[in-house]
Amino acid sequence: SQKIEQNSEALNIQEGKTATLTCNYTNYSPAYLQWYRQDPGRGPVFLLLIRENEKEKRKERLKVTFDTTLKQSLFHITASQPADSATYLCALVRGSNYQLIWGAGTKLIIKP
Amino acid sequence: DGGITQSPKYLFRKEGQNVTLSCEQNLNHDAMYWYRQDPGQGLRLIYYSQIVNDFQKGDIAEGYSVSREKKESFPLTVTSAQKNPTAFYLCASSSPGTGGLTDTQYFGPGTRLTVL
Repeated sequence: SQKIEQNSEALNIQEGKTATLTCNYTNYSPAYLQWYRQDPGRGPVFLLLIRENEKEKRKERLKVTFDTTLKQSLFHITASQPADSATYLCALVRGSNYQLIWGAGTKLIIKP
Repeated sequence: DGGITQSPKYLFRKEGQNVTLSCEQNLNHDAMYWYRQDPGQGLRLIYYSQIVNDFQKGDIAEGYSVSREKKESFPLTVTSAQKNPTAFYLCASSSPGTGGLTDTQYFGPGTRLTVL
């Protein structure tokens, strides 16, 4: 069955360093992959979308890579700040009806 | 301001009761979705609707019902048939086919349902 895996353990990073989060998937060939940020008790907020023919996408301090051979996406936050602390979710589009399959998310903690 | 609203933010239900969660959007999006979020799990799709007066079951539709009588509104009813309804419920909308970000979803603030 289709499966998405994100690190279940929280990731602790020192302020100013680069945080790297991983999203792996199996039994699937998505056309798109998305990353969202979710703060406690809130709905997810869209950050970046990357297509299968794109290797890398950037937005300010954020960078996403997409390796369809490895079936993996990496999400990087450079010059991390305590305000970047949140749970980050990856999601893959499923089929032509625009449904998304979601990872469980990785909690990122940026320590001052 | 455009966005999605959900109400109430917190909801308590006694066993055997049906409850309805509200979701309204003014983004003029055609598609709307209901998800359930449990600790340690990804969002799971309950129902979705791509157009008014039409909706489809998601992966975990049993014990839930929806309606889509208006483009702006997609209420979710959690029925007494749902055996484990305590969870965080998220409503989302999207506008497929209108540019590059065809399936980006915009979420409401969520409703936390607790069964007493």
